[in-house]
Parts: sequence; structure tokens; C-alpha cells
Amino acid sequence: GENVEQHPSTLSVQEGDSAVIKCTYSDSASNYFPWYKQELGKGPQLIIDIRSNVGEKKDQRIAVTLNKTAKHFSLHITETQPEDSAVYFCAASTTGNQFYFGTGTSLTVIP
Amino acid sequence: GAGVSQSPSNKVTEKGKDVELRCDPISGHTALYWYRQSLGQGLEFLIYFQGNSAPDKSGLPSDRFSAERTGGSVSTLTIQRTQQEDSAVYLCASSFQGQGTEAFFGQGTRLTVV
Repeated sequence: GENVEQHPSTLSVQEGDSAVIKCTYSDSASNYFPWYKQELGKGPQLIIDIRSNVGEKKDQRIAVTLNKTAKHFSLHITETQPEDSAVYFCAASTTGNQFYFGTGTSLTVIP
Repeated sequence: GAGVSQSPSNKVTEKGKDVELRCDPISGHTALYWYRQSLGQGLEFLIYFQGNSAPDKSGLPSDRFSAERTGGSVSTLTIQRTQQEDSAVYLCASSFQGQGTEAFFGQGTRLTVV
């Protein structure tokens, strides 16, 4: 099955700085890579996703990049704000199958 | 409703009792997933339903765990003879496989076995 690794497990940045979270996957058949943000006491919320036919996708301050050859993808958050503090999960899947999640990154944005 | 709904939001049960957790997916979503999240941990896959296909039960940790999905909509996760190690947040998600595979999660059920 698929194996997704996520780094770092914790990340602290100053407000206004950028944050980068990286994930690797093992199954070359994986073709869909979502990122979720989970705030305390809530379910994960989809914030951005990318499919294998695209190398980069951006939505305001959030961007995701995908390198299929190297089997890794990354989340980039620019101009971080305190409300970005949360746990972020990456995931990988193939159409019609379950999602395999990384172990999460706890992001703290220091005002 | 607009999103995935789970009930109850919190459940405290005595060790050895059975519990049922309910998930109402987004209307029209054909795929439904159950995950378990222990305190401060990642998401552990439990079971996946897709349309009328046989469910993928490969993540169920023991035969005390079972799930069903009636009429392709509501799903119930049942844990029999609960143990303290079953204490966790149980998360349900749904997706519409026809238009992409974005999965949306409910708020979870926090299960505490005492």
C-alpha cells in the first residue's frame, strides 16, 4: 500500500514569515494530493489539493507543488498569520481508493 | 445539510459496552470513509465505502469493529465490547467520485471508554 511521510512534525514561524511542509509518497499510481488543516476540536478541513497532471497550484497565500518523479509534494504558506496556527496533514490517493495521510505538522505562528 | 454530520459529538461509555457512531454524508456523495484519530496523532484508516462495491475493511483493527452503510447514504460504525484503547476521535468523510476526489470531513465523534 501507499506510505506517506510528512516533515517536520512541528514548525514555529514568526508572523509574516513563510512556512513549508513537505511530504513524500511511495506509490507511483497516486494521482491526487490534498492538504488538510485541523484546528483544535474540529475535523480536518480541505485547504488545497493538486492532481498529478499539475506541478503547482496556488490559492492566495497557499501554494502546493508536486514533483512526480521524486514522489514528493509540499505546502507553502506565505505571509503567515496567527490564524494559520493548526495541524496540517498531507494525503495521497488514487481515484476510487482510500486516502493515506501523513502524520501531521503542528504549525505555530508567533505574533 | 451542507456538510458531513456526525453524531453524537461526544460519547462516554463503560468498558465492555457497545457503541454506535453515526455519519450523514454530503448528499450525492458516493464514497464514505471512516478514520480514527488518537490524541495528538494522525488519521488511521478504518473502512471505505464506494457506491455499491464491497467496502474496503482492511483498516478495521479487530472483529469488534464493524460498519454499514444503508441505502448508499448514512453510515454507522459499531464498536462492540469497547476497550479503553478504543478511546479516540472517530472521523467520517465523504466524497463525490464522479467529479474528483475531494473528501470532506465531519467534526468527529469523541469516544471515551472509562
